Amino acid sequence: QVQLQESGPGLVKPSQTLSLTCTVSGGSISSGGNYWAWVRQHPGKGLEWIGYIHYNESPYYSPSLQSRLAISVDTSKNQFSLKLSSVTAADTAVYYCARGRHYYDVSGLNCYFDLWGRGTLVTVSS
Amino acid sequence: QSVLTQPPSVSGAPGQRVTISCTGSNSNIGAGYDVQWYHQLPGTAPKLLIYGDNNRPSGVPDRFSGSKSGTSASLAITGLQPEDEADYYCQSYDSSLSGSWVFGGGTKLTVL
Repeated sequence: QVQLQESGPGLVKPSQTLSLTCTVSGGSISSGGNYWAWVRQHPGKGLEWIGYIHYNESPYYSPSLQSRLAISVDTSKNQFSLKLSSVTAADTAVYYCARGRHYYDVSGLNCYFDLWGRGTLVTVSS
Repeated sequence: QSVLTQPPSVSGAPGQRVTISCTGSNSNIGAGYDVQWYHQLPGTAPKLLIYGDNNRPSGVPDRFSGSKSGTSASLAITGLQPEDEADYYCQSYDSSLSGSWVFGGGTKLTVL
């Protein structure tokens, strides 16, 4: 079965770049209509979609983060990555990687996130 | 402040039925975009409960059901069990600005 695992530093200094990688195991990152997503959760708060990428398309970003964000995919390593620049304490959160499934119906494009990594806490502090 | 509004908390006794609401607007739920529901136990990742308004992934009990009307959606849980105590989130698409997948602020379900 497909599993996702986040990895990266747990502590990042303010103004630096937060970098995380999600390794996909048990399946190919290039298969089907899967979109590989990043979602974060500030301490004690709700979920926030950051962005996602299909292995064969340009990434899609949250409008509120797109100026600082870069998501990429490495099909040879079956991984996708997140880079968030110029971080502040407001970027402290648990970061999850997830699999997004697109489908179309009468309303148009829809997406649900059916597989999630365990999450990794990233703290922004000097 | 979330684009999708959920009550901060709901509660119910074992065996009872509870509902959790998710209120949006004409740029998301009201535009017809489907609603998904997730639950999250403390310290764990979210888990998909309902997709496409009222579809359950394999393995999710039929005690969980979803519905949608106008600019709102609801998650109903029947036969409440202690292990249902968790945070619940709705999710949809919002077409305002440049478009984005959005989550509700979450609802804490307490089983009394």
